[in-house]
Amino acid sequence: SQTIHQWPATLVQPVGSPLSLECTVEGTSNPNLYWYRQAAGRGLQLLFYSVGIGQISSEVPQNLSASRPQDRQFILSSKKLLLSDSGFYLCAWKPGRTYEQYFGPGTRLTVT
Amino acid sequence: EDKVVQSPLSLVVHEGDTVTLNCSYEVTNFRSLLWYKQEKKAPTFLFMLTSSGIEKKSGRLSSILDKKELSSILNITATQTGDSAIYLCAVEAGAGGTSYGKLTFGQGTILTVHP
Repeated sequence: SQTIHQWPATLVQPVGSPLSLECTVEGTSNPNLYWYRQAAGRGLQLLFYSVGIGQISSEVPQNLSASRPQDRQFILSSKKLLLSDSGFYLCAWKPGRTYEQYFGPGTRLTVT
Repeated sequence: EDKVVQSPLSLVVHEGDTVTLNCSYEVTNFRSLLWYKQEKKAPTFLFMLTSSGIEKKSGRLSSILDKKELSSILNITATQTGDSAIYLCAVEAGAGGTSYGKLTFGQGTILTVHP
């Protein structure tokens, strides 16, 4: 069966520090991968998606970037965090021929 | 720009009540509408509705897609405290395989069920 992992689970970082969040999927190959941010327990905003290794599409201009160095690995990064980057970051994957996405456990980021 | 709106934003009921959550959408080239339940961390998938599957049911939960009204409802009968969660509606849109599975989410409905 397929599983999705995210780490760390929680993170507190000062303004101006770098960020690296990691997401990996097991038990599948060539999944579509997605990064979302959720503010204040409300709806999810799509940040990045990837349909293959090295292929990244950004949905909103922001202080963040994403990379997919391996088929089942998706990384969210920032060189210098802003207070507004605080939130709950969720990674999701989708099997190629289905509509539904499956979410990882998320990372709660607090920028101080 | 694709848009998904959920109502109400929050709802408080007692165990045994029946609730109806609403989701409306304005998108170009609708492909599917999905419902998720989020308790503390990851949203969990409930239902997917498409043009070829406009009604789904699982236990006390059911959902209907109204393509004419561009909306969907999620019904929960005989609510339990374990139904307390954020319910998220999302829509995938895009023509000819260009959506890449991108979902546009509504704001969510926070459901609280009291014993």
